[in-house]
Amino acid sequence: DAKTTQPPSMDCAEGRAANLPCNHSTISGNEYVYWYRQIHSQGPQYIIHGLKNNETNEMASLIITEDRKSSTLILPHATLRDTAVYYCIADITSGSRLTFGEGTQLTVNP
Amino acid sequence: DGGITQSPKYLFRKEGQNVTLSCEQNLNHDAMYWYRQDPGQGLRLIYYSQIVNDFQKGDIAEGYSVSREKKESFPLTVTSAQKNPTAFYLCASSTGVSRNYGYTFGSGTRLTVV
Repeated sequence: DAKTTQPPSMDCAEGRAANLPCNHSTISGNEYVYWYRQIHSQGPQYIIHGLKNNETNEMASLIITEDRKSSTLILPHATLRDTAVYYCIADITSGSRLTFGEGTQLTVNP
Repeated sequence: DGGITQSPKYLFRKEGQNVTLSCEQNLNHDAMYWYRQDPGQGLRLIYYSQIVNDFQKGDIAEGYSVSREKKESFPLTVTSAQKNPTAFYLCASSTGVSRNYGYTFGSGTRLTVV
């Protein structure tokens, strides 16, 4: 699995978009980008994943650059409940052993 | 509702004792995983199992043991050989080969050695 780099912390105002960056410059052609989040003292929650194309679901949007070396997770209208640690992972399939780094602590402020 | 159940939520252990953490899933997932999380840290993989009666060591398997006798169950035993067992333990499952939906995690067990 490719190494990913994320900022350790970010702040966002409630109601605004939260844009969380992730660098994965060594990603290989068959590795997907996965995003999870972990609210304090709970298990991580799957958010979204993608390979090449941008993806959107009810929780978030994932923008992957054309060269696939970086991506951005977008929470379009952040709420206080979105305060969590967000993990970006690059790996082949969800069935393999995913490696979680330290992620980005997102704090949504009122 | 389908999901993963970890029990107990909080567990206290005396030094030198073995303790077993339970993980049960009713999602019909093939693969199951155990992670350890220390305060302010990411998750580290202890053991994982892709199929019944088979499991592999993760990055920090020393002092831990697992079994996978049933598809639904993947218990983790923290043995007295684990030098610093106080941590938050998370169990997860996945379909094994599907790229959809990723991992499903349990709510975790917080183990404290007293």
